[in-house]
Amino acid sequence: QLQLQESGPGLVKPSETLSLTCTVSAGSISSSSYYWGWIRQPPGKGLEWIGNIYYSGSTYYTPSLKSRVTISVDTSKNQFSLKVTSVTAADTAVYYCAREGSSSLEYWGQGTLVTVSS
Amino acid sequence: QTVVTQEPSFSVSPGGTVTLTCGLSSASVSTNYYPSWYQQTPGQAPRTLIYNTNTRFFGVPDRFSGSILGNKAALTITGAQADDESDYYCVLYMGSGIYVFGGGTKLTVL
Repeated sequence: QLQLQESGPGLVKPSETLSLTCTVSAGSISSSSYYWGWIRQPPGKGLEWIGNIYYSGSTYYTPSLKSRVTISVDTSKNQFSLKVTSVTAADTAVYYCAREGSSSLEYWGQGTLVTVSS
Repeated sequence: QTVVTQEPSFSVSPGGTVTLTCGLSSASVSTNYYPSWYQQTPGQAPRTLIYNTNTRFFGVPDRFSGSILGNKAALTITGAQADDESDYYCVLYMGSGIYVFGGGTKLTVL
């Protein structure tokens, strides 16, 4: 069974960079069939798709975050990562990673809460 | 700015049938948007229910079904059960690798 696990600091200071990693197990991130995505959910609010990456490094981002977001992949570690720069309190959220296939978000990680606060 | 619309809330009686919808602010939803649906209970990660308009994900009971109704995507739950009380999100694939979530529908079973 494919599993995805987010990891990274749970607390980030305003104006700094949020960095998270998603580790994929029981499946290869180098599969040609899938993209690998990040989604976030502010407390008490809805879900927001952030962006995704292909194993080759090709990326897509939601326009509203494009200037602050970078997604990268490390196929040797079967991991992909998210960086969000210049964070504010509005970036406080549960961050999920997911495998994208069949034009949907098929498998999800359990999520990790990142709080932006000094 | 693409806005995907969902009913903020809905209620259904146990055993009843409910249809949640997913629309676009400036266009009709068609199968070309590959609508998908997700169920989320508090404190949990979303669970995939439907993809590609009407295909149930692995292990999803057949009382969940997806369709296009008029100019919107739809998720129908037949024989609603207490544990169907959740938030439901639709996602549309906008092309060019980009997805957009709807605002979600809070379903109450009472």
